[in-house]
Amino acid sequence: EAGVTQFPSHSVIEKGQTVTLRCDPISGHDNLYWYRRVMGKEIKFLLHFVKESKQDESGMPNNRFLAERTGGTYSTLKVQPAELEDSGVYFCASSRSWGSNTGELFFGEGSRLTVL
Amino acid sequence: QQQVKQSPQSLIVQKGGISIINCAYENTAFDYFPWYQQFPGKGPALLIAIRPDVSEKKEGRFTISFNKSAKQFSLHIMDSQPGDSATYFCAASIRGGSARQLTFGSGTQLTVLP
Repeated sequence: EAGVTQFPSHSVIEKGQTVTLRCDPISGHDNLYWYRRVMGKEIKFLLHFVKESKQDESGMPNNRFLAERTGGTYSTLKVQPAELEDSGVYFCASSRSWGSNTGELFFGEGSRLTVL
Repeated sequence: QQQVKQSPQSLIVQKGGISIINCAYENTAFDYFPWYQQFPGKGPALLIAIRPDVSEKKEGRFTISFNKSAKQFSLHIMDSQPGDSATYFCAASIRGGSARQLTFGSGTQLTVLP
């Protein structure tokens, strides 16, 4: 079974440019999460999809960030325009749901974003 | 405000020694406390987890100790091995909240010397 895959693994862009990160969750996982780790600090929650619906986007830093999950499969996270403080590693994770229970989160290897 | 505080930031242990990483939390609504292990270039992977109705959970060389009254929990790695060298994150979540919205600590970089 393939794990959570993220693309690109590393992106270097200039301030003001746009970057789109992609996440392919484990097949059959309804829950998809985006997290971010900035400058060696804690990994912070950004948002949570259940299938194609945004369940919780309370961690999104501002309106320069747009996440989508069309069709409830893969997800994209777009940063437009990128700022210096957006640099960090963006992790995607997915999990199964059954009834009111949620299984373990499986993380991807992350997409490292460097904004110059 | 960081809801889960983790220490130390880095830890160096000799092979065969005991590695101890500590975490403290503020939100008493947290009811699930996992530890994640991350190797360079990889994503965090669940190592071991505990719920607040038990004070200790052991899986092989890894043990979580949980002190509900002090709002603290810790990871003990017995007989530490060079292959354990990684970054360890403690985390916490609320069962009733956004399913598995984890609040992470800042991470501990563990180096086990051969």
